[in-house]
Amino acid sequence: EPEVTQTPSHQVTQMGQEVILRCVPISNHLYFYWYRQILGQKVEFLVSFYNNEISEKSEIFDDQFSVERPDGSNFTLKIRSTKLEDSAMYFCASGLVYQETQYFGPGTRLLVL
Amino acid sequence: EDQVTQSPEALRLQEGESSSLNCSYTVSGLRGLFWYRQDPGKGPEFLFTLYSAGEEKEKERLKATLTKKESFLHITAPKPEDSATYLCAANQAGTALIFGKGTTLSVSS
Repeated sequence: EPEVTQTPSHQVTQMGQEVILRCVPISNHLYFYWYRQILGQKVEFLVSFYNNEISEKSEIFDDQFSVERPDGSNFTLKIRSTKLEDSAMYFCASGLVYQETQYFGPGTRLLVL
Repeated sequence: EDQVTQSPEALRLQEGESSSLNCSYTVSGLRGLFWYRQDPGKGPEFLFTLYSAGEEKEKERLKATLTKKESFLHITAPKPEDSATYLCAANQAGTALIFGKGTTLSVSS
C-alpha cells in the first residue's frame, strides 16, 4: 500500500540554524501539506501546496518557513533560522482532492537546542 | 471561530467493553469530518471521512457517525491493540483541517 515517507525521523539542531525536512508524498497525489504537533498539543496546519505554489498557509507559517517541490517526488519544508519554540513533530501529508482526505507520514521530530 | 472539541480526553476500557468517543464541531458549512488514529510518536493514520448528517462508516470494531453538530466514534468490543489516540478534524470547503486535541484510549485485557 502506498504511503507517505519522511526523512529524517529525528533532527537535533542549534537555535539559529537552518533545517530542511523532506517528504515523499504518495505518487499519484496532487496536494501536499505540512503540519506540526508540539508535544501534548493539537495537530496544527502550516501550509498546503499544489502545482508548485502555496495554496494556503496559516499564521504559524511566517517568513522563516518555506516549501519546495525540487523534483517529481520530493516535497521539502525549510526552516531558515530555527527557534526553541520550533521544537515539534512535523508531519507531511498528501491527498488527491484539495483539503479532503489526507494521508500522513510518520513525522520528523525536530529538537532545537 | 471554527472549533473542534473532543471528549473525553482519556478513556480506559476493559477488553470487550464497548464505548463511544465524541467530537463536537462548530464549523459553518461543514465540508468533511475526518477521524484518524495516532499511535505514540507516529503520524495520524486515516480512518474515516464523513460528509453529511446521518452518514455512517464502519471498519472492523469502529463505526463513525455524523450529526449536524457532532460525530461519534463507536468502538465495539475493543481489544488492547485498539489503544491509541483518536483524532477528529473538520473543515469548510477548500480550507485547512482543524484538529481536536484527541481522545487517548487505553484498553486493558
